[in-house]
Amino acid sequence: DAKTTQPPSMDCAEGRAANLPCNHSTISGNEYVYWYRQIHSQGPQYIIHGLKNNETNEMASLIITEDRKSSTLILPHATLRDTAVYYCIVNTGNQFYFGTGTSLTVIP
Amino acid sequence: EAGVVQSPRYKIIEKKQPVAFWCNPISGHNTLYWYLQNLGQGPELLIRYENEEAVDDSQLPKDRFSAERLKGVDSTLKIQPAELGDSAVYLCASSSTGPPGDEQYFGPGTRLTVT
Repeated sequence: DAKTTQPPSMDCAEGRAANLPCNHSTISGNEYVYWYRQIHSQGPQYIIHGLKNNETNEMASLIITEDRKSSTLILPHATLRDTAVYYCIVNTGNQFYFGTGTSLTVIP
Repeated sequence: EAGVVQSPRYKIIEKKQPVAFWCNPISGHNTLYWYLQNLGQGPELLIRYENEEAVDDSQLPKDRFSAERLKGVDSTLKIQPAELGDSAVYLCASSSTGPPGDEQYFGPGTRLTVT
């Protein structure tokens, strides 16, 4: 199954863009990239997903490289409420593998 | 729209005792998932249901864990007997379409402590 690699932690200044990278070099052509986040003591929250094209919604933007081996989640204007663990997931259809994610801390 | 409901939110039991967790998914969601999350780790899938059928239970420790979704709506996850290593958060999620393009909605989880 495709797995992902993320930095364990990142900091971001409040109001600035947070760019969270993810490597998924073994991804297959029909496997989606998903991003979730988990705020302390809550269940994971869906953010965005994509297959090949870049995607944007009200929460974030997802940039997927042309070879699909990596992606970046962009939170355009980070707030203190965005402090959470962010998971990059490759959905193989049979397994939704979360990994350990990136702990993002937004600093005032 | 009501979210995924789980109960109880917290449970403390002694080892070798049985325990059960309940999940009510979002109305109309046919796919239901149970995950286990250990401290500092991401959630790990235990079982996935499509309506009332368990279509992926390969990660469920069947010697002590069992699950059911009798009418294709609510689901119960049971552990009998519980061991110290079962202390974790048990998460339930649901989706409308199932993999590979599904968006899963998670409940708040049940935090189990086995003493």
